[in-house]
Amino acid sequence: KAGVTQTPRYLIKTRGQQVTLSCSPISGHRSVSWYQQTPGQGLQFLFEYFSETQRNKGNFPGRFSGRQFSNSRSEMNVSTLELGDSALYLCASSSRRGGYNSPLHFGNGTRLTVT
Amino acid sequence: AQTVTQSQPEMSVQEAETVTLSCTYDTSESDYYLFWYKQPPSRQMILVIRQEAYKQQNATENRFSVNFQKAAKSFSLKISDSQLGDAAMYFCAYSFTGNQFYFGTGTSLTVIP
Repeated sequence: KAGVTQTPRYLIKTRGQQVTLSCSPISGHRSVSWYQQTPGQGLQFLFEYFSETQRNKGNFPGRFSGRQFSNSRSEMNVSTLELGDSALYLCASSSRRGGYNSPLHFGNGTRLTVT
Repeated sequence: AQTVTQSQPEMSVQEAETVTLSCTYDTSESDYYLFWYKQPPSRQMILVIRQEAYKQQNATENRFSVNFQKAAKSFSLKISDSQLGDAAMYFCAYSFTGNQFYFGTGTSLTVIP
């Protein structure tokens, strides 16, 4: 079974631009979560999508948004990029069977650099 | 608020020896899940072990085991017979609802040959 696939692996953008990151979950997984990882803040939860609906949202500004498609693939968008948005963005999928005890399966991440 | 604390930014262990990584968490929930994830230089987070809070028995996965102390809100990871491939960043994580996980800041483990 293929793992979680994130594209692209690396991105360099300029302040003020917008960016879209893509995530394909493990086949059969309907939950997709996004996390931002930085050296100073560690891993912080952005949001979770399940069956095309946003279920949970972390404490991030509205510039961060996402969506999920009917095939469970998810995209994350960041508008009006700031230098502080430079980070590793991790996508994770889960089967969400039986409630909240399903572990997360992570992709390799997208390294975003904002200059 | 849920917080996860890993007080050891860096640890090292001799190959074949045992090392314990510490984690404490803060929660008012009674039913929740705890996890240890490993992140090697390849960046992919890999699940090492998980523990259900309602289970008193400590989880074990081969060379990895946990010491779960619910009253103390402590969840340490013991790695026995350490191998070079165990070198990575280790994150402790907590989850109680949906798939929102709270992660600690990580412990960087070095394995010395």
